[in-house]
Amino acid sequence: GQQLNQSPQSMFIQEGEDVSMNCTSSSIFNTWLWYKQDPGEGPVLLIALYKAGELTSNGRLTAQFGITRKDSFLNISASIPSDVGIYFCAGQLGGNQFYFGTGTSLTVIP
Amino acid sequence: GAGVSQSPSNKVTEKGKDVELRCDPISGHTALYWYRQSLGQGLEFLIYFQGNSAPDKSGLPSDRFSAERTGGSVSTLTIQRTQQEDSAVYLCASSLASADGYTFGSGTRLTVV
Repeated sequence: GQQLNQSPQSMFIQEGEDVSMNCTSSSIFNTWLWYKQDPGEGPVLLIALYKAGELTSNGRLTAQFGITRKDSFLNISASIPSDVGIYFCAGQLGGNQFYFGTGTSLTVIP
Repeated sequence: GAGVSQSPSNKVTEKGKDVELRCDPISGHTALYWYRQSLGQGLEFLIYFQGNSAPDKSGLPSDRFSAERTGGSVSTLTIQRTQQEDSAVYLCASSLASADGYTFGSGTRLTVV
């Protein structure tokens, strides 16, 4: 399957700090998604990106679809304790399935 | 329903036994996916159903794994002769179309002892 490299693997930050994580692929994707997973729950869709260069915000979250179509990043501004969780990127080539990254585990220290 | 419903939420089974995992997608969603998430890992694609088309089974790890979707709605993932390496969280997701972001269920945590 496709390889999605997500970094960093884990982050420990102070409450109020900004967070940045990214996802890269060796393949060109047509769609990028960002999900958040809380313990014991399924991933929840945060942001969907459909066009190269697209920059989309959802509250304190901002994500961009890279110009090369091989990468995407997610920023979280002014982190709060409930931002804790695992963040996954996912990309779609145009077929049926999305390929998921291995996740970034975020810990916010109050 | 309002969301994707999976049952059971937890399943402990003995090695060698068969298990069935159920997924009830959001009403009207034509696309249904099964993923597997091992501890600390990302999501591994297993199988995809779209309407009445033949399912995409390319992610099934072995012939012990199979899935059905009856009437374009409820899906059942069956694992025969379970092995310890089958222990994982099995996530089901549905969407209106294949290009849409998925809505995931809470998963079934399978433990093979």
